[in-house]
Parts: sequence; C-alpha cells; structure tokens
Amino acid sequence: GEDVEQSLFLSVREGDSSVINCTYTDSSSTYLYWYKQEPGAGLQLLTYIFSNMDMKQDQRLTVLLNKKDKHLSLRIADTQTGDSAIYFCAESMLNSGAGSYQLTFGKGTKLSVIP
Amino acid sequence: DTEVTQTPKHLVMGMTNKKSLKCEQHMGHRAMYWYKQKAKKPPELMFVYSYEKLSINESVPSRFSPECPNSSLLNLHLHALQPEDSALYLCASSQEIRDWGYTFGSGTRLTVV
Repeated sequence: GEDVEQSLFLSVREGDSSVINCTYTDSSSTYLYWYKQEPGAGLQLLTYIFSNMDMKQDQRLTVLLNKKDKHLSLRIADTQTGDSAIYFCAESMLNSGAGSYQLTFGKGTKLSVIP
Repeated sequence: DTEVTQTPKHLVMGMTNKKSLKCEQHMGHRAMYWYKQKAKKPPELMFVYSYEKLSINESVPSRFSPECPNSSLLNLHLHALQPEDSALYLCASSQEIRDWGYTFGSGTRLTVV
C-alpha cells in the first residue's frame, strides 16, 4: 500500500456529499479502481476509470482523475448510512518480473456517515 | 453466476493442523488470485494463477501452498501456521491477468491458535 496513499478517516452527515482522495505513483497504470469493504466482508468493486479519462459518473458516484498530479477522487452524492465502509483506491501496476499486472491497494479510507 | 465463492467463511486451526481454503468461480475467468488482509490493512497479494499455472508468488512462506486443479477452482493448503497468519484470506478472479474488474470473494476469516 505504500505506493498508493489515502487519508484514513472521513466523517460526513447523511445527505451530504463525501469526497475520498487518493494519490498514486505509477504513471503507467492503465486502470484505477475504487473498492468498498463493509465490516467482515470481501471487496466490492464500486467503479473504475481508464487512465485516458478525466471523469466518470455512475449514479451517485463520480470519479475524477488528474493524471498530471496522479490524483484520484471518489465523490459520493447524497451519502447514506449504508455507505459507511472502508473505501480502497487501487491501481493496476506492471509486475515486470512476472510480465503481468497486479492490483496495489491504498491503506483504505474509513467513511463514517452520521445520521 | 457472477460470484466468487469461498469456503469456509470462518476457520479456527491449531498450529499443527492441516487445512485448506477453497475458492470457486464459474464466470470463465482465467486468472485467479489469493490475497491476505490483516485487520485495518489493505489486501496484500500472495499468489496469481493464470490459465491454471502459477504466475506470481509474492515470497509467501512454504506453509502456504496454492493449487489450481482446474480453471474454476483455487485452493490454498495450510500447514504448520503461526498465530501471526491469522487474517482474512480473499480470493479474486479476472477475465485475464491484465484485465480490469477483479471480482473478490467474501473471504475466509482464519484464526490460528
């Protein structure tokens, strides 16, 4: 996780927007992802963005990519209590030794939604 | 079927036990992965199989032994584990080893006593 940085905590009120930020290091990453993990559960792919895109919107989720600054953000509109979870940013990085790509995760941002 | 199924969901084992974790997918994905996740940490890659062949082994101790008997199944055999091996073990699959859209299972919560 040391190559992908995220703030560890975010607290918002129900109905407000949440913005979770991430910085990454590998400029050759082709895809960047956001995963959601609820307590005791596995990882759920929320959304992804291809590196030649600046923005992607999917219902309440908006992903912004600033490739120059290697900055990725996830905005959740109208945040609900069910959105409380840990959100992981991940990049697809080349493992040159294996000749293949693998996911590298950030440390995760714990989102707490206050009713 | 768009899921990755992992069994068991919870496992408690002694340090002298031998046990196996199982992972199954029927999406036709040809790449399968084992990740280890400690509490409050991100998942860490352990193994990658591509077309049933081991592609990546991230310097994992030999007490963890992966096996891919066919394109739908991935096992992780455990032997002589240590308490520090207690973690959530996640299986994932993807269409190809370079593809996006990894699908994760819900994990096996392993406790070594």
